[in-house]
Amino acid sequence: DAKTTQPTSMDCAEGRAANLPCNHSTISGNEYVYWYRQIHSQGPQYIIHGLKNNETNEMASLIITEDRKSSTLILPHATLRDTAVYYCIVRVYRSARQLTFGSGTQLTVLP
Amino acid sequence: EAGVTQFPSHSVIEKGQTVTLRCDPISGHDNLYWYRRVMGKEIKFLLHFVKESKQDESGMPNNRFLAERTGGTYSTLKVQPAELEDSGVYFCASSQWGDHNEQYFGPGTRLTVT
Repeated sequence: DAKTTQPTSMDCAEGRAANLPCNHSTISGNEYVYWYRQIHSQGPQYIIHGLKNNETNEMASLIITEDRKSSTLILPHATLRDTAVYYCIVRVYRSARQLTFGSGTQLTVLP
Repeated sequence: EAGVTQFPSHSVIEKGQTVTLRCDPISGHDNLYWYRRVMGKEIKFLLHFVKESKQDESGMPNNRFLAERTGGTYSTLKVQPAELEDSGVYFCASSQWGDHNEQYFGPGTRLTVT
């Protein structure tokens, strides 16, 4: 699976949009971008995934650049409960292999 | 629908003792994974079951760790004998076969070896 690069930490004001970037310049054509997060003392939680088109669900939006070498996870109205470590993971479509977690981005939502 | 459950939530044992962690996956999920995070490190994969078979155990650190999944339902991870460096949080996840195989994680078991 392709390697990803994320900033170590970010802050966001409560109620504002949180934009978390991820670089995956070596992504292959059959690899999807997945986002998970880990809230303190909980297990990782799936957020969203995408291939090349922008995706949106009830939790977040995912914007993938046209060349697919980077993406941005958007939490449109961040709350204090969104404070967590966010992981960007690239993996092959239909793969049941393990997830490879990097160091992720610690997002702190400030009141 | 019940999520992935893990037992116990916390365990404190002395070096040299044995500990067994349990994971109950989401019903119907054939894939079951074990991961762990040791202090200050990233979450690392340990092994992957498909039903009762070990699909990939490349992440198991050494032969003090033994995982089983009898009957393809719940799984246990035994550490015997435990060492100080085994301290950390052990996560279990499960998924069902499909296009994306999203993995659903349990809350983890915090293991402290003293």
